Amino acid sequence: GQQVMQIPQYQHVQEGEDFTTYCNSSTTLSNIQWYKQRPGGHPVFLIQLVKSGEVKKQKRLTFQFGEAKKNSSLHITATQTTDVGTYFCAGPGSGNTPLVFGKGTRLSVIA
Amino acid sequence: GAVVSQHPSWVICKSGTSVKIECRSLDFQATTMFWYRQFPKQSLMLMATSNEGSKATYEQGVEKDKFLINHASLTLSTLTVTSAHPEDSSFYICSAPAGNTDTQYFGPGTRLTVL
Repeated sequence: GQQVMQIPQYQHVQEGEDFTTYCNSSTTLSNIQWYKQRPGGHPVFLIQLVKSGEVKKQKRLTFQFGEAKKNSSLHITATQTTDVGTYFCAGPGSGNTPLVFGKGTRLSVIA
Repeated sequence: GAVVSQHPSWVICKSGTSVKIECRSLDFQATTMFWYRQFPKQSLMLMATSNEGSKATYEQGVEKDKFLINHASLTLSTLTVTSAHPEDSSFYICSAPAGNTDTQYFGPGTRLTVL
């Protein structure tokens, strides 16, 4: 079945440093979504990428979708303590499965 | 944006008892809702798809007789963990699709602890 691999599993950064998480799929994706889950919270939708090579920005967050639509990345510039949480990528599932989630990247920001 | 609520937000119960968790879409209708389970420091695992007016669809390995799902209306789905055991302790999250997209709106989750 479809798998979505995400690396790294953990990332500890000093406040102000940049952060990137990568997502790779075994198959071509029609779209890819990114979610953020704060500690103790629930996943919150961040963005959806649809087009090959698409790049979208949300303030300090930059999302990219690969040309082959098999990989994606989320880059955070100058991290802040409010960026702490786990970032999940998710691709559309098959059949009744709505989304296939990566294992997530847990970001810690040291002030 | 669309809001999904869950109740209760946390529950502690004794082993062998049953626990019901409610998932509501507050400002939109959802013919389909999804139930996930998340163990500490792990990703979300889809348990089942709740379908309004018909039986739920369960993922492989999820016992349908243990995790009873009822989609009573277009805004309410319930998950009942029957005869709960300590290994059922987890974070249970529901979601509903946002319109005609693949995007999911997640409820705030229910943290279940079985003693």
